[in-house]
Amino acid sequence: GNSVTQMEGPVTLSEEAFLTINCTYTATGYPSLFWYVQYPGEGLQLLLKATKADDKGSNKGFEATYRKETTSFHLEKGSVQVSDSAVYFCALPSPESGGSNYKLTFGKGTLLTVNP
Amino acid sequence: DTGVSQDPRHKITKRGQNVTFRCDPISEHNRLYWYRQTLGQGPEFLTYFQNEAQLEKSRLLSDRFSAERPKGSFSTLEIQRTEQGDSAMYLCASSSLRTMHRDTQYFGPGTRLTVL
Repeated sequence: GNSVTQMEGPVTLSEEAFLTINCTYTATGYPSLFWYVQYPGEGLQLLLKATKADDKGSNKGFEATYRKETTSFHLEKGSVQVSDSAVYFCALPSPESGGSNYKLTFGKGTLLTVNP
Repeated sequence: DTGVSQDPRHKITKRGQNVTFRCDPISEHNRLYWYRQTLGQGPEFLTYFQNEAQLEKSRLLSDRFSAERPKGSFSTLEIQRTEQGDSAMYLCASSSLRTMHRDTQYFGPGTRLTVL
């Protein structure tokens, strides 16, 4: 079945440092790929998505490019802020018994801490 | 559009008690998903509804768990005879098959269950 392997944390950076969180996937076909963010004590927020190969998703300074050749969807940000401290999840849809393909399979998450 | 809401946000119960959680999806979203997230892990799929029909249940959903979505709007997740292993964050998400973003799920804040 579809799966994601995500870089394990925790990741600790200083403010304004460059961020990369690696994510690789295994999938049937070419599903959309997602990054979700979870702030302490909260649910998940959609950060960005990409729907096909070579697409770049972007939001709030974060970017990720759907790489079919390397089956990767690495998350990057050029200059992190203290407010970016959170857990980041890579995810992709998986087949459902009803015939569609939308339930999400998540990585284990990467905890990012940004220090001032 | 007020987003996905869940109630309660926190629940502490004693082993053996029954608990019920409620999820109100984004208005007119016809898909509703339940996930469970344990500490340090990514969310895991439990079940999903399309309108009022429950189309799939994960093997994680033991006989003590039951979910309903009687009018195709809000959903409830009940756990009978709770066990300490049920302690987790229960997340609800909704999506709409009627838009081009049919594969995008929007999450609520979650219900954190602690079983003593």
